[in-house]
Amino acid sequence: GESVGLHLPTLSVQEGDNSIINCAYSNSASDYFIWYKQESGKGPQFIIDIRSNMDKRQGQRVTVLLNKTVKHLSLQIAATQPGDSAVYFCAESPKSFQGAQKLVFGQGTRLTINP
Amino acid sequence: DGGITQSPKYLFRKEGQNVTLSCEQNLNHDAMYWYRQDPGQGLRLIYYSQIVNDFQKGDIAEGYSVSREKKESFPLTVTSAQKNPTAFYLCASSIIGGHDGYTFGSGTRLTVV
Repeated sequence: GESVGLHLPTLSVQEGDNSIINCAYSNSASDYFIWYKQESGKGPQFIIDIRSNMDKRQGQRVTVLLNKTVKHLSLQIAATQPGDSAVYFCAESPKSFQGAQKLVFGQGTRLTINP
Repeated sequence: DGGITQSPKYLFRKEGQNVTLSCEQNLNHDAMYWYRQDPGQGLRLIYYSQIVNDFQKGDIAEGYSVSREKKESFPLTVTSAQKNPTAFYLCASSIIGGHDGYTFGSGTRLTVV
């Protein structure tokens, strides 16, 4: 079956630096991708999403890049802050016009911001 | 404010007992989901429901059961047949017929004692 995976399970960056979290997906039919942030003991929170007809989407301090040629997704966080420390998950959704959205989640990357 | 509520936050189960985890949403979402999360791992789908009185098995449904008697509620029962139930359980909801991601609850941590 299809799966979404991450290249690195942990990432440490200095406060104020930029961070990049990567994700590889295997289902070329997926047309919607999401990044979630999960803090310890809490449920995942939506960060940013992107549809397959886009290559880049920007939010507040975050940018998601989608490379469909190599099936790669990345999340860039600018000027990292201590509150950015969390586990970040990517998720993909196969194209579906009916029914529930069956998101497939990656393993997650733990981001640690060092003071 | 609309949202999705899971209870309890922590739950302890003795060997051989069934326990039920609650999930309630007031987002008017049609679809609801249960995921299991083990330490250092991603989310695995247990069950999902697209409409009242209907639900489908996910990837790891064995040892679990659900019901969907109301649109707002999707309780999960962890039965004694689930041999390794200690985990963090997450409930989510979403619209159907489009892409809008999930809204997650805050989770229930289940521990077998």
